[in-house]
Amino acid sequence: EVQLLESGGGLVQPGGSLRLSCAASGFTFRSYTMNWVRQAPGKGLEWVSTFSSSDGSTYYADSVKGRFTISRDNSKNTLYLQMNSLRAEDTAVYYCAKSIPGAYDHWGQGTLVTVSS
Amino acid sequence: DIVVTQSPDSLAVSLGERATINCKSSQSVLYSSNNKNYLAWYQQKPGQPPKLLIYWASTRESGVPDRFSGSGSGTDFTLTISSLQAEDVAVYYCHQYYSIPQTFGPGTKVDIK
Repeated sequence: EVQLLESGGGLVQPGGSLRLSCAASGFTFRSYTMNWVRQAPGKGLEWVSTFSSSDGSTYYADSVKGRFTISRDNSKNTLYLQMNSLRAEDTAVYYCAKSIPGAYDHWGQGTLVTVSS
Repeated sequence: DIVVTQSPDSLAVSLGERATINCKSSQSVLYSSNNKNYLAWYQQKPGQPPKLLIYWASTRESGVPDRFSGSGSGTDFTLTISSLQAEDVAVYYCHQYYSIPQTFGPGTKVDIK
């Protein structure tokens, strides 16, 4: 059974940093492209970042480019999102999601990031 | 960037009746080399992560009831729930994965009339 478990969320002040983790199990992690998607309270879904399994390419939404870094450790079956220079508008539930490829066939339960003073 | 819009914003349908949600992309998401539309549909219930229903615009994900179907090509797509059940109350999102940045529609809320 595929499982994705996010952690690392919490309350952080504007300008602060957090690192999110997504522990994966139940599939060959290194073979799949992985993604981060966020959802602000009461709002829709926003794609944040993708780490391609095929060539190691990484992609970012303009809203986080230069502030967030996606990475993965295939030996630990874990996806990461390093978030720096956090802003109030980054407040959201952050989901990691597995690509099948393309569409996202499995999602974690999400971790809440709150940016507030 | 490809802008994805959905209509209606919300709809209420009687149990057993058909629900239809439309999704429109600002550019074609049909990849000519493989003739696939890079468009997916998700269902999200309160307090839960999204669940994949349909990918490649019309391929039903394993385990998804056959009352859910997807259609369309190019820029215009439809998700149909043929006979609405109580458990289908949710917000439905379309998602284009044709190009970066990937984008989601704003969502359509489906309720029981």
